[in-house]
Amino acid sequence: EAAVTQSPRNKVTVTGGNVTLSCRQTNSHNYMYWYRQDTGHGLRLIHYSYGAGNLQIGDVPDGYKATRTTQEDFFLLLELASPSQTSLYFCASSDVWGHLNERLFFGHGTKLSVL
Amino acid sequence: GDSVTQTEGPVTLSEGTSLTVNCSYETKQYPTLFWYVQYPGEGPQLLFKVPKANEKGSNRGFEATYNKEATSFHLQKASVQESDSAVYYCALSPSSNTNKVVFGTGTRLQVLP
Repeated sequence: EAAVTQSPRNKVTVTGGNVTLSCRQTNSHNYMYWYRQDTGHGLRLIHYSYGAGNLQIGDVPDGYKATRTTQEDFFLLLELASPSQTSLYFCASSDVWGHLNERLFFGHGTKLSVL
Repeated sequence: GDSVTQTEGPVTLSEGTSLTVNCSYETKQYPTLFWYVQYPGEGPQLLFKVPKANEKGSNRGFEATYNKEATSFHLQKASVQESDSAVYYCALSPSSNTNKVVFGTGTRLQVLP
């Protein structure tokens, strides 16, 4: 079973603060993703990447940067955090899509509170 | 654009009763359809997927049929258990050429003993 580890599990910051969320996957997957989960909105894609140095824009990218430093590591950066970014953030990984491989493996989430 | 609409929760049922969670989708492509389940304190995990129209997927007593004509993918279970309490997400991947998944808003299910 694919392993995706997120850190920290909980984070509290103030408005205007600088936050980095980390994600590591150990299953040699090409794709990694950042989602945010909010009541009434479900899971929404922020950014994703298909390999080291690559970044693709998701559906709700405003206010977020991301960087994929290695095949294993994907970071989400909030440089000027705002209360609207208070959310539960999930990292996920997947192999290259094909009918047998179409599935996402999620981490346990990072709960971020921006005061 | 691509979208998924599903039953708005929460849904509260007694053990042994039947479940239907409605899911409809919009896309101009030929999607794969998914149901994911999220238990408290965990990330979502795949329940099952169906890549082709008119086929059925199933797992752990849950099932859904990919109805292309009705653009629907309703989740059903004949007899729910307390352990089925979770959030259920309907989702689609627009085509095999993209590694993106679009999720619905989720349906929280609570099963009472």
